Amino acid sequence: DAKTTQPPSMDCAEGRAANLPCNHSTISGNEYVYWYRQIHSQGPQYIIHGLKNNETNEMASLIITEDRKSSTLILPHATLRDTAVYYCIVNTGTASKLTFGTGTRLQVTL
Amino acid sequence: NAGVTQTPKFRILKIGQSMTLQCTQDMNHNYMYWYRQDPGMGLKLIYYSVGAGITDKGEVPNGYNVSRSTTEDFPLRLELAAPSQTSVYFCASSRSPNQPQHFGDGTRLSIL
Repeated sequence: DAKTTQPPSMDCAEGRAANLPCNHSTISGNEYVYWYRQIHSQGPQYIIHGLKNNETNEMASLIITEDRKSSTLILPHATLRDTAVYYCIVNTGTASKLTFGTGTRLQVTL
Repeated sequence: NAGVTQTPKFRILKIGQSMTLQCTQDMNHNYMYWYRQDPGMGLKLIYYSVGAGITDKGEVPNGYNVSRSTTEDFPLRLELAAPSQTSVYFCASSRSPNQPQHFGDGTRLSIL
């Protein structure tokens, strides 16, 4: 099963774009990349997911490299409320294989 | 919209006691999951269910039991509470394993 590697922490100034990287070099062709975030100790919140193409929704954009070995979550205009732990997950479509690592702790500052 | 509801929000147990963590969802999702999250760590899958009457083990099932008698409810049972089970427990649901999961707000459990 594909594992993911994320930096443990990042800082971003409010109003700037936050670019959160994720490495998933062993990803298979049918595995999706999912992003969730966890604010304080609340339950994780789904952000976005993709397979091959770049994706955008009201919360964020997901850029997946052509070889699919890495991806970047982009929060275009970060606010203080975006301070959270962000998890990058490779989803095989098998319920028993879902794994949340330790994620990236994003701190948005004034 | 209620989504995924977990009760209780907080609980303190003594070693050896038992309890049931409740989870219910109103989205008619087939898949439901129980995770635990220890301080500073990611989530670990305890059990999951693919539909009423069908459950299976995740990564860390020891010390826990589950049942799924209805689509809506997926309770998690601790039979003999141990200090190692002190954690935050999250319940989640999804339409399928390839669809986003919706999480509850968690149950914070301390065992002393």
